[in-house]
Amino acid sequence: GQQLNQSPQSMFIQEGEDVSMNCTSSSIFNTWLWYKQDPGEGPVLLIALYKAGELTSNGRLTAQFGTTRKDSFLNISASIPSDVGIYFCAGHAGTYKYIFGTGTRLKVLA
Amino acid sequence: EADIYQTPRYLVIGTGKKITLECSQTMGHDKMYWYQQDPGMELHLIHYSYGVNSTEKGDLSSESTVSRIRTEHFPLTLESARPSHTSQYLCASSWNSATNEKLFFGSGTQLSVL
Repeated sequence: GQQLNQSPQSMFIQEGEDVSMNCTSSSIFNTWLWYKQDPGEGPVLLIALYKAGELTSNGRLTAQFGTTRKDSFLNISASIPSDVGIYFCAGHAGTYKYIFGTGTRLKVLA
Repeated sequence: EADIYQTPRYLVIGTGKKITLECSQTMGHDKMYWYQQDPGMELHLIHYSYGVNSTEKGDLSSESTVSRIRTEHFPLTLESARPSHTSQYLCASSWNSATNEKLFFGSGTQLSVL
């Protein structure tokens, strides 16, 4: 099925470092959602974005809706060990269908 | 905080058994979904519903069936489980809104068919 391109695929970082990841699409979306998923668990919604250019924060997380409506970015500041997991984006174009990113696997070294 | 619940969390059964995975949400959402996901892999939509008595097949062909008799309840049934059905099954729900969409997931059911 269709997927969004998400990068990087994986990253190892030191505790305290900032993290950036992005999601790109060939299609325009009305909504961008960012999730974190731990092994064996369901995805947890972190941030929702609804307008081009919108910048939204949730604690140490900040996400932006790209101005072209074809991309989105997630930043994590001052990472901690519990930030480890898989982060993925999802785009919604106004139908029943959500398109999901390929995921960024984050590992934090203490 | 999402109020969407899935049971059981883990299920190990033998081939040929009939199983039902339960999903309930208390948010009054119209739209509900079932996704199948192998570890570390993409989510595949197998069923969705716009509301009571509405069910549709998703993008991934599945031998499972679903029903939506009540708004809050969206169970998934496998009439005869096979090892190829081993996977994680995720239920999700959202408002039927043209704007401010949010998709909430349950904790998932890890199914192993021996």
